[in-house]
Amino acid sequence: AQSVTQLDSQVPVFEEAPVELRCNYSSSVSVYLFWYVQYPNQGLQLLLKYLSGSTLVKGINGFEAEFNKSQTSFHLRKPSVHISDTAEYFCAVSLIKAAGNKLTFGGGTRVLVKP
Amino acid sequence: GAGVSQSPSNKVTEKGKDVELRCDPISGHTALYWYRQSLGQGLEFLIYFQGNSAPDKSGLPSDRFSAERTGGSVSTLTIQRTQQEDSAVYLCASSLKLEGNTIYFGEGSWLTVV
Repeated sequence: AQSVTQLDSQVPVFEEAPVELRCNYSSSVSVYLFWYVQYPNQGLQLLLKYLSGSTLVKGINGFEAEFNKSQTSFHLRKPSVHISDTAEYFCAVSLIKAAGNKLTFGGGTRVLVKP
Repeated sequence: GAGVSQSPSNKVTEKGKDVELRCDPISGHTALYWYRQSLGQGLEFLIYFQGNSAPDKSGLPSDRFSAERTGGSVSTLTIQRTQQEDSAVYLCASSLKLEGNTIYFGEGSWLTVV
């Protein structure tokens, strides 16, 4: 079975400062990796995903993530955050070659951007 | 429609009553998923449909939970004899069949059992 650990449940950060959200996963088989964002009272929206190729993935809203296979990590970064980045962020994996794209999620990281 | 549509957006029901939650996926998406989001448990997978069949229903928490999909489109999640621990946001999502494809989520149905 696979699992996803997001090491920080909450991350306060000042506007225009950088932020890094940590994600580690465990799986006996290869996985695809995703980051989703959930704004207050909304559904989840895909930020970025890693399927193959370059380990540095760029997503929407200036976010990027780097896949590190040896450390089984997929940390999310943004060099300068805005107030509008206040949201909950979820890391997720799905198994390669498994039936369906079932996602296994981490517990989420709440980002609070302060002015 | 343009996105995954869910109804109702909010539902308050009395303990012991049955509820039905509806999901209308993105047109052309053959895969459909139900997830549950609650404070204590985070995001939990419930069931996955490919077309009208459900090859993976491993996440349904008890036999009070069931789901069906008709015409390869609309899906209904039914919770019978609701309990207070069923209170959560129920999220529906859809995707194309190919692995690694983006899964698109609806805004959820917020269920409160009183």
